[in-house]
Amino acid sequence: DVKVTQSSRYLVKRTGEKVFLECVQDMDHENMFWYRQDPGLGLRLIYFSYDVKMKEKGDIPEGYSVSREKKERFSLILESASTNQTSMYLCASSLTGTGYETQYFGPGTRLLVL
Amino acid sequence: AQTVTQSQPEMSVQEAETVTLSCTYDTSESDYYLFWYKQPPSRQMILVIRQEAYKQQNATENRFSVNFQKAAKSFSLKISDSQLGDAAMYFCAYRSSNFGNEKLTFGTGTRLTIIP
Repeated sequence: DVKVTQSSRYLVKRTGEKVFLECVQDMDHENMFWYRQDPGLGLRLIYFSYDVKMKEKGDIPEGYSVSREKKERFSLILESASTNQTSMYLCASSLTGTGYETQYFGPGTRLLVL
Repeated sequence: AQTVTQSQPEMSVQEAETVTLSCTYDTSESDYYLFWYKQPPSRQMILVIRQEAYKQQNATENRFSVNFQKAAKSFSLKISDSQLGDAAMYFCAYRSSNFGNEKLTFGTGTRLTIIP
């Protein structure tokens, strides 16, 4: 069974802290994604990676960075957390090139920045 | 750039009745894929149904079916015989068919409530 896991379900951090959100998939997928979900805005793509050590900016990359050192793991980093980064963060993964293939999502991390 | 619009922030339906969720999109591409995802409260997002644009036949998955109108750029989801477990946020999503373009563009979602 496909599985995408995220390191925390809930996280509370202080403004200015460095925050790491980790995502692991066990499906040998090439592609991994980080989204931010906010009420009324849907899911917005922050960054994605189509291979180890490769990354591309999504629609809202400002204030975030990512790391993909191993195929199964994709980390989202908030260098200096701010209150406007309080949100739900979703990780997803997918195979390349099958067109019809869906993305598989993790359970999400709800981050509160105080 | 593609955009996806869900104009119904909230919908409700009586248990066992039928409900239709709307989705429209904008694209200049002729071939693409469309998806409906379901996000139950405090649970993971899962795929409900998907449609390839070059296929004229509407996709169906048990009680879930779509009405795909390519010329109108419309992709609505019909849920028949609604059940309490159908209560969730539903997101419509678009994906280009270009090889290597794996990104999904999501709508803003529709929260569906099932009334017992």
